[in-house]
Amino acid sequence: AQTVTQSQPEMSVQEAETVTLSCTYDTSESDYYLFWYKQPPSRQMILVIRQEAYKQQNATENRFSVNFQKAAKSFSLKISDSQLGDAAMYFCAFIQGAQKLVFGQGTRLTINP
Amino acid sequence: DTGVSQDPRHKITKRGQNVTFRCDPISEHNRLYWYRQTLGQGPEFLTYFQNEAQLEKSRLLSDRFSAERPKGSFSTLEIQRTEQGDSAMYLCASSLDYQPQHFGDGTRLSIL
Repeated sequence: AQTVTQSQPEMSVQEAETVTLSCTYDTSESDYYLFWYKQPPSRQMILVIRQEAYKQQNATENRFSVNFQKAAKSFSLKISDSQLGDAAMYFCAFIQGAQKLVFGQGTRLTINP
Repeated sequence: DTGVSQDPRHKITKRGQNVTFRCDPISEHNRLYWYRQTLGQGPEFLTYFQNEAQLEKSRLLSDRFSAERPKGSFSTLEIQRTEQGDSAMYLCASSLDYQPQHFGDGTRLSIL
């Protein structure tokens, strides 16, 4: 069974600084996708970034980038120049085929002004 | 693109009552997913549809739960004889084939 583990229940960072959220996953598949979703308080889940497993190049989206280590089954999210609006729960998720997303437990990110 | 719409946003009911939630996906999306999220946890998969066909159901989906997607458009999730443990946020998501899933705001169910 596929599993996703986020070992940091909470993280905090000073505004304008950089923070890295960790994620590991377990799968026997070779073709899959990984995602980071953001869930602000009482608001909907928003896709932050995605990574195709067959691509070696790490995905980037503006201030958000990932460090994808396929052999280690690691998929961390780096947020540069943190902003107050980045405060949210962040979920790492895995999908194989067009089926269900498997989510980690989440990391609550606090931005200190 | 009006996004995924869920109704109601919040449902409060007494234990033992039946409840039904509705999800309207993004109009061109052929896949629709239901997840359940309890406080402080990540969402857990319940079931998904491709068009009107229900293709997979989680073991979390007991026989008190039923989901439908008539005509491959909106979907309903019904819970019969609600229990305390059913209290959660029920999230709906939709996608076009293998594209990323887009989530709705969710329906928060509170069982008294």
